[in-house]
Amino acid sequence: NAGVTQTPKFQVLKTGQSMTLQCAQDMNHEYMSWYRQDPGMGLRLIHYSVGAGITDQGEVPNGYNVSRSTTEDFPLRLLSAAPSQTSVYFCASRRGTGVDGAFFGQGTRLTVV
Amino acid sequence: AQTVTQSQPEMSVQEAETVTLSCTYDTSESDYYLFWYKQPPSRQMILVIRQEAYKQQNATENRFSVNFQKAAKSFSLKISDSQLGDAAMYFCAYGRGGATNKLIFGTGTLLAVQP
Repeated sequence: NAGVTQTPKFQVLKTGQSMTLQCAQDMNHEYMSWYRQDPGMGLRLIHYSVGAGITDQGEVPNGYNVSRSTTEDFPLRLLSAAPSQTSVYFCASRRGTGVDGAFFGQGTRLTVV
Repeated sequence: AQTVTQSQPEMSVQEAETVTLSCTYDTSESDYYLFWYKQPPSRQMILVIRQEAYKQQNATENRFSVNFQKAAKSFSLKISDSQLGDAAMYFCAYGRGGATNKLIFGTGTLLAVQP
């Protein structure tokens, strides 16, 4: 019963490098989202998807790309990392709209130097 | 735009006592959902309790309950018989009906439990 799996758990990047944060869920959830958590700011929505092939921007999308080729996977790409992207990143999924709460992965702590 | 405000950055409670964490929100929507999430030092986000806006009855989950005041746009979390394992960051979150995959979070309240 894996739930939402994020990899890696920790990552250090140099400014300008690119990388992909992986997120996979095994609950056949339609909805998946990426959030970033910064001190004193709670979690903020980066991108989200309502199904395979459908993605849209959240509150803070700049510098990030996503795609959703399968129901299970929702990777987040940093094209050219900047120190401002130092944060903890969470992937979440949910079955559908309504009272069901989102299931979160364990997060990725990313440091850009 | 919807906003969620948690005005208590830190709270402290004695073991076995009761503590209430505050949350207010602003929305013009009538269909929405409210959630409390717990984030222990492990960083994992754990759903504690949820409330549908159309329900007048306050949600309860074991030692956790909410006081949902829709007119006042207030959604406080009460933890009874506090335990050491309750020590964590607590986030209040809002989800608009039909879009609850796009949660709006408050800034969190760090709860310490004193033995």
